[in-house]
Amino acid sequence: GDSVTQMEGPVTLSEEAFLTINCTYTATGYPSLFWYVQYPGEGLQLLLKATKADDKGSNKGFEATYRKETTSFHLEKGSVQVSDSAVYFCALTQNTNAGKSTFGDGTTLTVKP
Amino acid sequence: DAGITQSPRHKVTETGTPVTLRCHQTENHRYMYWYRQDPGHGLRLIHYSYGVKDTDKGEVSDGYSVSRSKTEDFLLTLESATSSQTSVYFCAISPMDRGKSSYNSPLHFGNGTRLTVT
Repeated sequence: GDSVTQMEGPVTLSEEAFLTINCTYTATGYPSLFWYVQYPGEGLQLLLKATKADDKGSNKGFEATYRKETTSFHLEKGSVQVSDSAVYFCALTQNTNAGKSTFGDGTTLTVKP
Repeated sequence: DAGITQSPRHKVTETGTPVTLRCHQTENHRYMYWYRQDPGHGLRLIHYSYGVKDTDKGEVSDGYSVSRSKTEDFLLTLESATSSQTSVYFCAISPMDRGKSSYNSPLHFGNGTRLTVT
């Protein structure tokens, strides 16, 4: 079946540092790929997405590129802020599978001033 | 924000008691999902629904049942709660029933129910 593997956390960075959170996946066909963010006490919310190979999703300074050749969707941000502290989830959805999504384990990011 | 309300937000119950969690949506979507979130496991699908009275199992369905008698409500029941079911439960909806252009849409999540089984 499908699976998503994220780099283990937690990750602690200083403000303005560069962020990379690795994500690789195993899936048949052509899934859509997502990054979700979860703030304390809240549900997950979409950060960015990419629906086909070589697409780049971007939002709020975060970027991720759908790399089919390496089955990866790494999340990057050039300069993190304290407000970026949250849990980040990589996920994939097979459009032919009732919209069910497969999630990675989540990576907790803490940004210190 | 997608109109998804989960209730209760917090629940403490004893082992062996039945528990029902409710998810209510105002978006009229066909697809609804129940996930549980546990440290080191991310989110795992418990059950999902693709319409009124149409439900199916996810990867961790043992010990759980669901019902969908109305489009807007999706209930998750723990028939006899166990300590291993202590978790945070999230309901989600998908707009993929809006047509092919929605197939790549993300899920929309409620704010979760924190359940503790003592």
